[in-house]
Amino acid sequence: DAGVTQSPTHLIKTRGQQVTLRCSPKSGHDTVSWYQQALGQGPQFIFQYYEEEERQRGNFPDRFSGHQFPNYSSELNVNALLLGDSALYLCASSLNEKLFFGSGTQLSVL
Amino acid sequence: DAKTTQPPSMDCAEGRAANLPCNHSTISGNEYVYWYRQIHSQGPQYIIHGLKNNETNEMASLIITEDRKSSTLILPHATLRDTAVYYCIVRVGMANAGKSTFGDGTTLTVKP
Repeated sequence: DAGVTQSPTHLIKTRGQQVTLRCSPKSGHDTVSWYQQALGQGPQFIFQYYEEEERQRGNFPDRFSGHQFPNYSSELNVNALLLGDSALYLCASSLNEKLFFGSGTQLSVL
Repeated sequence: DAKTTQPPSMDCAEGRAANLPCNHSTISGNEYVYWYRQIHSQGPQYIIHGLKNNETNEMASLIITEDRKSSTLILPHATLRDTAVYYCIVRVGMANAGKSTFGDGTTLTVKP
């Protein structure tokens, strides 16, 4: 049983560009959440998707958007990249109360 | 979600028990205590959770004080592979599993 998979593992972009990160949840999980983790800090909640709709959102600007597909996979889009968007982006899927995380996408903005 | 306070770092000798404390003095009656850990270059991994009774699984034990204002995660026989950042999270149990508030956690270093 594959766990949560994310792609790509690493990405380098320049300021002002746009980026799309992808996530496939653990089999049977219908809820996907995205987190941003800056170096040396804990993960910060971006938003959560369930039934193809954004259900909850953390304190992130509208430049951060997402999508969930009928097969429960999800994308995170970030527009107009800033240097401060450099971080590890984690996807987590859940069924009931436990979160299962992927290994993340390391985004570097130059 | 209630705020948690953890020491930034701890050391433990290999083979000894590691006791990681967490303060959550503003916890509400319907909030659970969850523990996750993050090994370098990986995503966080669920360890254990509880409401008010002590809990044990194959990974660890969770001791919650009677007033529920603090808890301790116990790794009974720490190994070098237990070196990680440990996060204590408090939130309403079954609902909103995705929206968890992580602090900066405790970096546990297990030494040979």
